[in-house]
Amino acid sequence: KNEVEQSPQNLTAQEGEFITINCSYSVGISALHWLQQHPGGGIVSLFMLSSGKKKHGRLIATINIQEKHSSLHITASHPRDSAVYICAVRPSYNTDKLIFGTGTRLQVFP
Amino acid sequence: DSGVTQTPKHLITATGQRVTLRCSPRSGDLSVYWYQQSLDQGLQFLIQYYNGEERAKGNILERFSAQQFPDLHSELNLSSLELGDSALYFCASSPGWGTWTEAFFGQGTRLTVV
Repeated sequence: KNEVEQSPQNLTAQEGEFITINCSYSVGISALHWLQQHPGGGIVSLFMLSSGKKKHGRLIATINIQEKHSSLHITASHPRDSAVYICAVRPSYNTDKLIFGTGTRLQVFP
Repeated sequence: DSGVTQTPKHLITATGQRVTLRCSPRSGDLSVYWYQQSLDQGLQFLIQYYNGEERAKGNILERFSAQQFPDLHSELNLSSLELGDSALYFCASSPGWGTWTEAFFGQGTRLTVV
């Protein structure tokens, strides 16, 4: 079983829809990252969080440490949000390491 | 632009060959991380260097090696290449290590072994 699980694996949406991507992990962590990977391949860091909630534009990330769960929300989705979203955790036993989920492929249609 | 530069962007080579991938971290960042992203395995941590010293090792094959130079750029050497080594190789850098450390990724090098 992977230490980091994401759901769903694939997601399609119409422009304007509210989107939620989930991440569950099984290890104690010091931080959790949400990353975005566009079709060209480059990876952009969206959020790093260890508690609570962060917001940047239309993106909101939340984390519940007790439940070992994080969500990434996209409000008013747009075709340019189409990308792979990857959850990654820094385990407490080795904070130099990042353990990645397998990613959620999001396609937003106009 | 993350500030992390990787060269080359694309590389096509034959089985059995050796290649070197280069990474220049963001100005001031002391840590460099290498990751491999293959179609069937997702992103896997390979190795980390901090200020010239190897700090952590992940799923790196013995045929692969890396180093970080005094100017903090890093190179990942892949030798005796096999078809299965075809992947995207990412470099990331961060100011230090551990908690609260953000990581900034390069654009990746796409390696194709034929």
